[in-house]
Amino acid sequence: SYELTQPPSVSVSPGQTASILCSGDKLGEKYASWYQQKPGQSPVLIIYQNTKRPSGIPERFSGSKSGRTATLTISVTQTMDEADYYCQSWDGSTAIFGGGTKLTVL
Amino acid sequence: QVQLQESGPGLVKPSETLSLTCTVSGDSINRYYWSWIRQPPGKALEWIGFIYYSGNTYYNPSLKSRVTISKDTSKNQFSLKLKSVTAADTAIYYCARDKGGQNWFDTWGQGTLVTVSS
Repeated sequence: SYELTQPPSVSVSPGQTASILCSGDKLGEKYASWYQQKPGQSPVLIIYQNTKRPSGIPERFSGSKSGRTATLTISVTQTMDEADYYCQSWDGSTAIFGGGTKLTVL
Repeated sequence: QVQLQESGPGLVKPSETLSLTCTVSGDSINRYYWSWIRQPPGKALEWIGFIYYSGNTYYNPSLKSRVTISKDTSKNQFSLKLKSVTAADTAIYYCARDKGGQNWFDTWGQGTLVTVSS
């Protein structure tokens, strides 16, 4: 079955840039979306169509895609950005989520 | 502002059927695509399936044999039934909206924890 692969964890110092990668064989053909989930909360959409930010999402969140890899970049990372991040795409008519990446800001 | 709210029993016995409802306010379920997504404790998100404006449905192939999603237009609700549950179905269940179909989930409910246990 189709999978999206993310690193389980990423660490970053406050004020630095964090990058989270998501790889999948069909990402070259499909859009990637990204969600932020803080403990005890529902996921929040932060990037859609590979690069677009919904209104209300800070500009320090950006997305890109090259070939089969999508990247979420958080510039000038803040402690409030500590959360789990999930990429998501589609395999035909089935939505697929990555395994999630825990971002630690310390 | 659109809001989604899940409701249903928090405890289901093994082999029985899990039933949840998502009540939508601020939008009509006769538009767009409406999904169920779950998350076992400490694990990743898993998409269960969607129903869209026409009433047609599509399910995750891994769950297809056990899942039914339906809608009640008069109540602006859509529902999930998952039969023959086991402990592996213990999860937080979310409902979510996708405005375009095979796009992104822009609005989520708060989630409801369902535990499968005798």
